[in-house]
Amino acid sequence: AQKVTQAQTEISVVEKEDVTLDCVYETRDTTYYLFWYKQPPSGELVFLIRRNSFDEQNEISGRYSWNFQKSTSSFNFTITASQVVDSAVYFCALSEVGSGNTPLVFGKGTRLSVIA
Amino acid sequence: DSGVTQTPKHLITATGQRVTLRCSPRSGDLSVYWYQQSLDQGLQFLIQYYNGEERAKGNILERFSAQQFPDLHSELNLSSLELGDSALYFCASSDRQGLSTDTQYFGPGTRLTVL
Repeated sequence: AQKVTQAQTEISVVEKEDVTLDCVYETRDTTYYLFWYKQPPSGELVFLIRRNSFDEQNEISGRYSWNFQKSTSSFNFTITASQVVDSAVYFCALSEVGSGNTPLVFGKGTRLSVIA
Repeated sequence: DSGVTQTPKHLITATGQRVTLRCSPRSGDLSVYWYQQSLDQGLQFLIQYYNGEERAKGNILERFSAQQFPDLHSELNLSSLELGDSALYFCASSDRQGLSTDTQYFGPGTRLTVL
């Protein structure tokens, strides 16, 4: 069965530091999709990225970057030069293709606090 | 703003009562998903509808039901409420073919408090 582990429950950094949020997943499927979502204190879930299992290229979007490594089943998220507005809970999620329309499975989330 | 709307934003009710949560998907999206977020269980998938029909079912209690109407909005009905049903309920929508691998865009959520 699919599973997503975010081992870091809470992380606290000082503004302008770089921070990496870890995500490790388990799946028996060869084709799957990985996602990251952000949940700021206001509560809504904001989509950040979707990546399929055949695309192992790292992605950069402004201060955000994602490192996908199939060999270690990880899809880590790095925020460069963190800002107070980055304070939120970040969720990694996984969806498989081969098992039919299996639901999106979320990790427990990592709470990031950026201190000014 | 994801384009998904949910009402009400907050709901306070008593045990044993019944409530209805409403969701309007993004314009053009045919698929609606419902999730429950609680402190102990995290984000749990409840149910999915695609163009009016149930597509997938997750950990949804028998006391809970949902439907999607011809205009594509969806309602989640929670009955015989218990204290443990207190949670944040999210609706999400996606386009494409209603597969769970599609990107889901989430609404702002409805915070339900059962007293």
